[in-house]
Amino acid sequence: QKEVEQNSGPLSVPEGAIASLNCTYSDRGSQSFFWYRQYSGKSPELIMSIYSNGDKEDGRFTAQLNKASQYVSLLIRDSQPSDSATYLCAVNPFYTGANSKLTFGKGITLSVRP
Amino acid sequence: GAVVSQHPSWVICKSGTSVKIECRSLDFQATTMFWYRQFPKQSLMLMATSNEGSKATYEQGVEKDKFLINHASLTLSTLTVTSAHPEDSSFYICSRSRGDNQPQHFGDGTRLSIL
Repeated sequence: QKEVEQNSGPLSVPEGAIASLNCTYSDRGSQSFFWYRQYSGKSPELIMSIYSNGDKEDGRFTAQLNKASQYVSLLIRDSQPSDSATYLCAVNPFYTGANSKLTFGKGITLSVRP
Repeated sequence: GAVVSQHPSWVICKSGTSVKIECRSLDFQATTMFWYRQFPKQSLMLMATSNEGSKATYEQGVEKDKFLINHASLTLSTLTVTSAHPEDSSFYICSRSRGDNQPQHFGDGTRLSIL
């Protein structure tokens, strides 16, 4: 069973703080990793993709990947109330026929306090 | 702009009705599309992988006779919930990706309420 685990929430941070969201995965052969944001009542939207070890920055968002530790994280700098949402970690497992199938974590709900 | 269009966005109907949901890939000819279901405060659950020109691949525990998937063209997949009952009430979401190791992009979802 390929698993993606996200630390339990909810997570609450004050406005302007850094929010750190963590995710571990069990399939060592996984090649691609994604973070999605889902507002209440809406469908998920892609915010970051990461494929190589290290950091990838996009505006206030930084994704970090460590394949040796099977760990991927998302940092949100200068958190804003509009960042309040559920964040889903998704991993593309590595097996024949997986194609673009994703395994999702359960998500963590972030609340940014004004 | 949106790359996946899903309709309808909201359906309310009586128990026993069959409901069809359409999912269109707007910018890419998708041979594979995905259907998910999400219950309140729970994560996405993959129901099936829709394959253009062939049968859908259903996840374990999903009734293929209950949830009919048709992927008749490279831009359109449909999910039909047959003889829907209140327990089928959920948020149904489709997605597509451009290929292996590529992210999935989601439609806006369909909220289905069965009375």
